[in-house]
Amino acid sequence: EAGVTQFPSHSVIEKGQTVTLRCDPISGHDNLYWYRRVMGKEIKFLLHFVKESKQDESGMPNNRFLAERTGGTYSTLKVQPAELEDSGVYFCASSQLGLSDTGELFFGEGSRLTVL
Amino acid sequence: AQSVTQLGSHVSVSEGALVLLRCNYSSSVPPYLFWYVQYPNQGLQLLLKYTTGATLVKGINGFEAEFKKSETSFHLTKPSAHMSDAAEYFCAVRGGGGADGLTFGKGTHLIIQP
Repeated sequence: EAGVTQFPSHSVIEKGQTVTLRCDPISGHDNLYWYRRVMGKEIKFLLHFVKESKQDESGMPNNRFLAERTGGTYSTLKVQPAELEDSGVYFCASSQLGLSDTGELFFGEGSRLTVL
Repeated sequence: AQSVTQLGSHVSVSEGALVLLRCNYSSSVPPYLFWYVQYPNQGLQLLLKYTTGATLVKGINGFEAEFKKSETSFHLTKPSAHMSDAAEYFCAVRGGGGADGLTFGKGTHLIIQP
C-alpha cells in the first residue's frame, strides 16, 4: 500500500512568486493534515481536512496560504505570493477517520520550500 | 493547551551505549503521546505511542518509552545504540490542531559516535 506522497520534494522560488504543493494521502484516509517546520523550530500545525471540508485552519499563517482538497482525495497548498519567511519543510499527514481513535498520523516525506 | 519540551537539540552517544532522549509534555486532558523519527531524506515514521494501559511501551528498532504521569514525562530509551539510529527524533502529544492533530517538540538530533 502506498504511503503519503508529496510533490515536489524541493522547490526553490523567488520572493513574490507562487508555489503549489501537493499531497496524496493514503487511500481511504479521510483526515488530512498540513504541518510546517521552519528551520530550527517545531513542526507546527497548519490545517486539517476531513474529506473535502476544512475542519480547522487555525494554524494557517495568513491569507497568502490557500489549501484545497477537491473531492476529498489529494490536497494542494498554495503560497501566493511567497515571502522569505515561508521557507521551510511542509509535511502532509493522513489518518483514517474514527479508526480506534489513537491519533496516529502517517506522514509524507515533506516538501522543502526555499524562498530567495 | 498542549505543549512538548524536548531537552537537548543534539544528543551524542557512543555506539553500544544507552540512548536517552527526554520529553516532557503539558496537556489539559489525559495525553496520547508519540515518538516519531525522521531519518535523512525520509518522512516522519512512528516509533511508538502511548494511549492508555501499560505505561511502558515498546516500539520499533528496540526503542521503548515510559509514560510517567507524575513527572509529565515520556522519555525515549534504547539499551544499545546502533549507527543506524542516527536521526532526528520528535516527541508529540495529541491535541493542538485538528481533531486528531499533534503538537510536536522541537526535535532532538541523535548522533552516534563509532
